[in-house]
Amino acid sequence: DAGVIQSPRHEVTEMGQEVTLRCKPISGHDYLFWYRQTMMRGLELLIYFNNNVPIDDSGMPEDRFSAKMPNASFSTLKIQPSEPRDSAVYFCASSSSLGLAGGMGTQYFGPGTRLTVL
Amino acid sequence: AQTVTQSQPEMSVQEAETVTLSCTYDTSESDYYLFWYKQPPSRQMILVIRQEAYKQQNATENRFSVNFQKAAKSFSLKISDSQLGDAAMYFCAYRVNRDDKIIFGKGTRLHILP
Repeated sequence: DAGVIQSPRHEVTEMGQEVTLRCKPISGHDYLFWYRQTMMRGLELLIYFNNNVPIDDSGMPEDRFSAKMPNASFSTLKIQPSEPRDSAVYFCASSSSLGLAGGMGTQYFGPGTRLTVL
Repeated sequence: AQTVTQSQPEMSVQEAETVTLSCTYDTSESDYYLFWYKQPPSRQMILVIRQEAYKQQNATENRFSVNFQKAAKSFSLKISDSQLGDAAMYFCAYRVNRDDKIIFGKGTRLHILP
């Protein structure tokens, strides 16, 4: 089975540019989570979706951040405009509420996107 | 507030030895799940082991086992016969059954000494 897929794996951009991160969850999973990881703040939950609907976006740092999930197999996290302090590793994770793939609401993570904003 | 505390920011262990990583959590809930994730230098977050709170038997996965003490709200991870590939950051995590989110600890960085 394919795990969670994220693209790109690395992104280097200049301040002010738009950045779009992509995620494909595990097939059959109905929850999708976006996290950000930095040395200073650790692992932070930004937003999560259930059945493609955003449930909690309280972790989104600013209006510059937006996330969408147009269908069950695709989600994007967009930063516009990007700033140097957005540099981090961004993870996407998915889980199932139906006991599939291990149950317990276990979250399975993608490989992450390392974002560097110059 | 629900919290997960990993009191050891860093640990080292000799290859082939056994090491225990500690984790405590704070909750008033009775129905929850506990997890240990591993994050090697590749940055990939990998599930190591998980435990349902209602199960008294400690979970084991090959060289990895947990010591779950529900009354003490403790969930330590024991790694037996440590291998160089075990070097990673280890995160303890917790999820209440009625909630969708997982709460993560700050992590323990484990070094394996050859």
